[in-house]
Amino acid sequence: GAVVSQHPSWVICKSGTSVKIECRSLDFQATTMFWYRQFPKQSLMLMATSNEGSKATYEQGVEKDKFLINHASLTLSTLTVTSAHPEDSSFYICSARRDRWADTQYFGPGTRLTVL
Amino acid sequence: QQPVQSPQAVILREGEDAVINCSSSKALYSVHWYRQKHGEAPVFLMILLKGGEQKGHEKISASFNEKKQQSSLYLTASQLSYSGTYFCGTERWPNDYKLSFGAGTTVTVRA
Repeated sequence: GAVVSQHPSWVICKSGTSVKIECRSLDFQATTMFWYRQFPKQSLMLMATSNEGSKATYEQGVEKDKFLINHASLTLSTLTVTSAHPEDSSFYICSARRDRWADTQYFGPGTRLTVL
Repeated sequence: QQPVQSPQAVILREGEDAVINCSSSKALYSVHWYRQKHGEAPVFLMILLKGGEQKGHEKISASFNEKKQQSSLYLTASQLSYSGTYFCGTERWPNDYKLSFGAGTTVTVRA
């Protein structure tokens, strides 16, 4: 159990366009979902935390108007990168957490975004 | 605040052992260990909770020293499949479910 999917796996877009990434928990209800970005050979940096039905909480330095997060249901969260630029190119990974004591975060397979 | 992981990298021959350390300057609620292969998502290995714990699965085990706010991951009799980058994720006390990840330790196991 605890499978998380992401779609798409990769996307190449032109500068100035918007890109939407979906994160779904397939076999459990996720009370909380997290969005990370990871640059090559670097660690995972938390961008935001989202709870179903409420506004996402963004980490310091992350532009909320640029990275729009919607957590529409207990199994779906979306990240939209608006007006993408080459510096937004990165590996975006979501994770989801069940509402269980002492549980961990389960990661999706990631989405590689390349902005030309 | 990110935990500090050491070493940055380790190269092993099959069958050798290794220890990866993770330390925090803040009081921790839990430590989560993951392994990530190139281009893939991190895969959960184990979680250790406040109060001090030791856990193991097959030949990978871990401990959490609450007094020192340190955790160690032990790779015993390493296999080729153990290659990857290991990350510790720490959850602070009081817990807010957020994880801060260390810089990672790259493990290469050679035949």
